[in-house]
Amino acid sequence: GAGVSQSPSNKVTEKGKDVELRCDPISGHTALYWYRQSLGQGLEFLIYFQGNSAPDKSGLPSDRFSAERTGGSVSTLTIQRTQQEDSAVYLCASSFGAGGLGELFFGEGSRLTVL
Amino acid sequence: ILNVEQSPQSLHVQEGDSTNFTCSFPSSNFYALHWYRWETAKSPEALFVMTLNGDEKKKGRISATLNTKEGYSYLYIKGSQPEDSATYLCAFSDGGTSYGKLTFGQGTILTVHP
Repeated sequence: GAGVSQSPSNKVTEKGKDVELRCDPISGHTALYWYRQSLGQGLEFLIYFQGNSAPDKSGLPSDRFSAERTGGSVSTLTIQRTQQEDSAVYLCASSFGAGGLGELFFGEGSRLTVL
Repeated sequence: ILNVEQSPQSLHVQEGDSTNFTCSFPSSNFYALHWYRWETAKSPEALFVMTLNGDEKKKGRISATLNTKEGYSYLYIKGSQPEDSATYLCAFSDGGTSYGKLTFGQGTILTVHP
């Protein structure tokens, strides 16, 4: 389909393991966002990529979290040494043109459970 | 840290009622204000992107207004239907050094009873 694709849709892992979450944005969208929603909480900003500019990483909660976007397209969010508080739904979104002015198109999310 | 507040936190209305809720944001350095609808088991979907003070947008029975000088936006739903039940989110961008960064409010959970 032409929408934002995320994988895996569900991931259960043990505390201390590393996980990778993938986001395939809509073709041609230059802005890409990662958010997460923990149980009972709102959407928490994690990181924002805009074209070839340096990403805004101000929302990453610790240095265990990192993200990259290769070739201006696919993005991977990596969480090292997962902790139980990392359990959440991780949502990726993309938009066309200057971020902030274009509506966001969200993926279905990756639900992460850390045991 | 940007403070984006939504009220009320939740709302229960009867089918046919009209309703409205509020998004408050910092009144300085406005860049854009978005509204999204998030239905259970689905992804958030955009309703409106608003950029100018005094903007009014409408989509069917849903409309929104924007006051950037005082830092608020209202979302209105006329003649609510059960299918309008969802969480309504607003998101704000302040046009700072990362002008595209969108900070979301906590959302208003709307339940429309038949």
